[in-house]
Amino acid sequence: EAGVVQSPRYKIIEKKQPVAFWCNPISGHNTLYWYRQNLGQGPELLIRYENEEAVDDSQLPKDRFSAERLKGVDSTLKIQPAELGDSAVYLCASSSRDYNYEQYFGPGTRLTVT
Amino acid sequence: GESVGLHLPTLSVQEGDNSIINCAYSNSASDYFIWYKQESGKGPQFIIDIRSNMDKRQGQRVTVLLNKTVKHLSLQIAATQPGDSAVYFCAENPSRRYSTLTFGKGTMLLVSP
Repeated sequence: EAGVVQSPRYKIIEKKQPVAFWCNPISGHNTLYWYRQNLGQGPELLIRYENEEAVDDSQLPKDRFSAERLKGVDSTLKIQPAELGDSAVYLCASSSRDYNYEQYFGPGTRLTVT
Repeated sequence: GESVGLHLPTLSVQEGDNSIINCAYSNSASDYFIWYKQESGKGPQFIIDIRSNMDKRQGQRVTVLLNKTVKHLSLQIAATQPGDSAVYFCAENPSRRYSTLTFGKGTMLLVSP
């Protein structure tokens, strides 16, 4: 079984530029999460989807961050415009009732904003 | 021994030793706790979990202990191997179903051959 796929793996951009991250969850997993992980810290939830619906986006900085999961499968997280403080690893995870809700994480996208 | 580095607490052990990684959690209402292992360049990987109605759970070479009185969680790794070198995070969740994980501060485990 393929795991959670994320792309790109690395991204370097200048501040004020836009950036987008893509996630393909494990097949059949209806719950999808985006996390941000700063250096030396644990992941922090940005947004959680149940199918197409964003059910918890309380930690998403909505002035510059947006996310979508149009067909309840793949998801895209966007930052526009990026700031220096957005440099972090962005992790996607998915889970399913059929697998005891265990969250499976992708490898992440390491974003560097210069 | 255990030390606090600039970014992460670090536990250095010799191969074959038993390792104990500790975690203090914050929410007394949390019902579900998980330990994750994160290797460099990878996402966190599930190791073992425990419900709040238990105080001990064992897996393969790993044991998780839960002390709800002092809100403390520990991960014991038996016969530690170089492949166990990674950052370990504990995470708490109000309930398994609602999967709102709050991760604790990680501990870096370094295993010397």
